[in-house]
Amino acid sequence: GGIITQTPKFLIGQEGQKLTLKCQQNFNHDTMYWYRQDSGKGLRLIYYSITENDLQKGDLSEGYDASREKKSSFSLTVTSAQKNEMAVFLCASSMNSNYAEQFFGPGTRLTVL
Amino acid sequence: GDSVTQTEGPVTLSEGTSLTVNCSYETKQYPTLFWYVQYPGEGPQLLFKVPKANEKGSNRGFEATYNKEATSFHLQKASVQESDSAVYYCALGDGPNYNVLYFGSGTKLTVEP
Repeated sequence: GGIITQTPKFLIGQEGQKLTLKCQQNFNHDTMYWYRQDSGKGLRLIYYSITENDLQKGDLSEGYDASREKKSSFSLTVTSAQKNEMAVFLCASSMNSNYAEQFFGPGTRLTVL
Repeated sequence: GDSVTQTEGPVTLSEGTSLTVNCSYETKQYPTLFWYVQYPGEGPQLLFKVPKANEKGSNRGFEATYNKEATSFHLQKASVQESDSAVYYCALGDGPNYNVLYFGSGTKLTVEP
């Protein structure tokens, strides 16, 4: 088994501020993901990474940067926080095989003042 | 592009009654279909997946059949319990980016005793 840890659990920032969310996994998975979860809109993919130093854009990448510093960690940066992107940000990881199960962390809830 | 549409919630049922959550999808490829479940305060977790058309997946009394002709993957359970209260997500995994999943908007289920 393994676990995904997301920090912080709650993140409060000012409009226009640059904010960073962090994710660690100990599954030894190759692929990691960042999703945004808005109420009533499901999960939308922001970025994913299939190996260290790899980055692939999802449908919602505009306004975000990501960094895969090492196999076990994946960071997401909100480049300029906006009130309309208050949401829960979920990190996930999976093995690098077709349609492998994705394991999710508990999320970081972002509030923009 | 790929998309998933599912029953709009919230859905409230009494314990012991049956559940159907409709899920339909659009894609030009041959997807793998998933149901994920999210309990309060946690990230989503895989309920089951079905990679092939006309096959059925099941777990914890929930089941769904991959109907390629109708492009549907409806979730059913004969008798729900209070512990089934959660948000249910239908998702589609498709090539060529086989790691990418497209999620529906989620259906919140509340089961009353």
